[in-house]
Amino acid sequence: QLLESGGGLVQPGGSLKLSCAASGFSFKNFAMTWVRQAPGKGLEWVATINNSGGSTYFADSVKGRFTISRDNSKKTHYLQMNSLRIEDTAVYFCAKLGAAAFDVWGRGTLVTVSS
Amino acid sequence: IVLTQSPGLLSLSPGERATLSCRASESVGSISVAWYQHKPGQAPRLLIYGASNRATGIPDRFSGSGSGADFTLTITRLEPEDSAVYYCQQYGSSVAFGQGTKVEIK
Repeated sequence: QLLESGGGLVQPGGSLKLSCAASGFSFKNFAMTWVRQAPGKGLEWVATINNSGGSTYFADSVKGRFTISRDNSKKTHYLQMNSLRIEDTAVYFCAKLGAAAFDVWGRGTLVTVSS
Repeated sequence: IVLTQSPGLLSLSPGERATLSCRASESVGSISVAWYQHKPGQAPRLLIYGASNRATGIPDRFSGSGSGADFTLTITRLEPEDSAVYYCQQYGSSVAFGQGTKVEIK
């Protein structure tokens, strides 16, 4: 199971930190990911972190503004979002990376960037 | 890599077969292709991984095939609960999703 939290309303240029708490699997053994869905749009990959936290990967659309991290002792990973833009408005899903696919997903948390 | 799905909308009756296409902008390894089902307000659900392997708990009405740059998701004996948007996805040095195919059950 994955449970996202931390979404909300933020002004353009602001910051927000999302959390994803995991249960029911050996969290420390798996890479984790964030995927978002803007209103009326499809799924868009945002970022991935490997199991140790030593490697991170980002979509070009968020590179330099978002960071991804994890705390294996808390079975939680995070998405720090800075310099937010209106186009970052979306439902943000966290997901577990299994065999080259995202096999466990959360239900998402809504981020709204608006003045 | 860009994934292009077709058609954008598929409207079919219960019991019919749905054939969804996903074309990559270049050849990709089959192991890296997956399909997801997404219903409004719910978490996306993994259906197929490695192009043709059903995920845990997925009924055998769902099947995936393909190689190179062309991949297909087939849903046989459509049921009302199959109404959803279906996405293909490729995982490699980056991650790409197709734009989705909406399946409507009449």
